[in-house]
Amino acid sequence: DADVTQTPRNRITKTGKRIMLECSQTKGHDRMYWYRQDPGLGLRLIYYSFDVKDINKGEISDGYSVSRQAQAKFSLSLESAIPNQTALYFCATSDFTGGDTQYFGPGTRLTVL
Amino acid sequence: GQQLNQNPQSMFIQEGEDVSMNCTSSSIFNTWLWYKQDPGEGPVLLIALYKAGELTSNGRLTAQFGITRKDSFLNISASIPSDVGIYFCAGLANAGNNRKLIWGLGTSLAVNP
Repeated sequence: DADVTQTPRNRITKTGKRIMLECSQTKGHDRMYWYRQDPGLGLRLIYYSFDVKDINKGEISDGYSVSRQAQAKFSLSLESAIPNQTALYFCATSDFTGGDTQYFGPGTRLTVL
Repeated sequence: GQQLNQNPQSMFIQEGEDVSMNCTSSSIFNTWLWYKQDPGEGPVLLIALYKAGELTSNGRLTAQFGITRKDSFLNISASIPSDVGIYFCAGLANAGNNRKLIWGLGTSLAVNP
C-alpha cells in the first residue's frame, strides 16, 4: 500500500465551486506539504505544516486554505475555484529527524472549467 | 521565491547514451536531493547527498554533492527508455527547525529507442 495517498486522483469542476483535496500518510511523519505543478514552473509550495498545530503559507497560498486534521491528514481547499488553478497538485511528507527528505503522493489532477 | 538553476531544461537522447545534468545555487546547502517524476506520477527520491564531495550511486545513476556546497550533479549511464521523465534537484539548508526544500525547475529527459 502507498505510504502517501491523495484523493481524488482526478477532478473536473466549475468556476466558483468549493473543492477539497485530501492527503493521508502512513509514514508517521510530522511534516506535510502541498505543492502545485504547472508545466515549466516546477513544484511550487502552497502550504506546509510542521505538526498538527502548525500551518504556514508557502510561496503561492492565495486562493487556497488548508487543514491539518491529524498527524496523518492534511487537506487543501479551494474556496472558490478559478480556471488558473487548473494544475497537478501534490502532497508530500517529511520527518525532521529523518533529514526532511520529502516523499510524495501520486498527485491530483484538477481541472477548473 | 528562491530557486535552483537546473540545466539543461530538456534533453533528447538515443538509448545507450550517457546523461548529465546539474543544479547550481548562490546559496550553500547541507543536503542535495535528486528526484524523478514519471508521467502522471509524483516525484520519487533517487539519491540523497548529505556531505560536500559525496559521490553516491543508485544503479546506473550517480550523483555528486559539489565541494563548494552550491552545486550538485546527476549522471545516468547507458540510458534506457524507462529513464524518460522529469528529474528534479532539491536543496536543503539548515535553518533551525524551519527549513524547507528549494527546488529546481526540472530536466525533462526523452530517450529514443
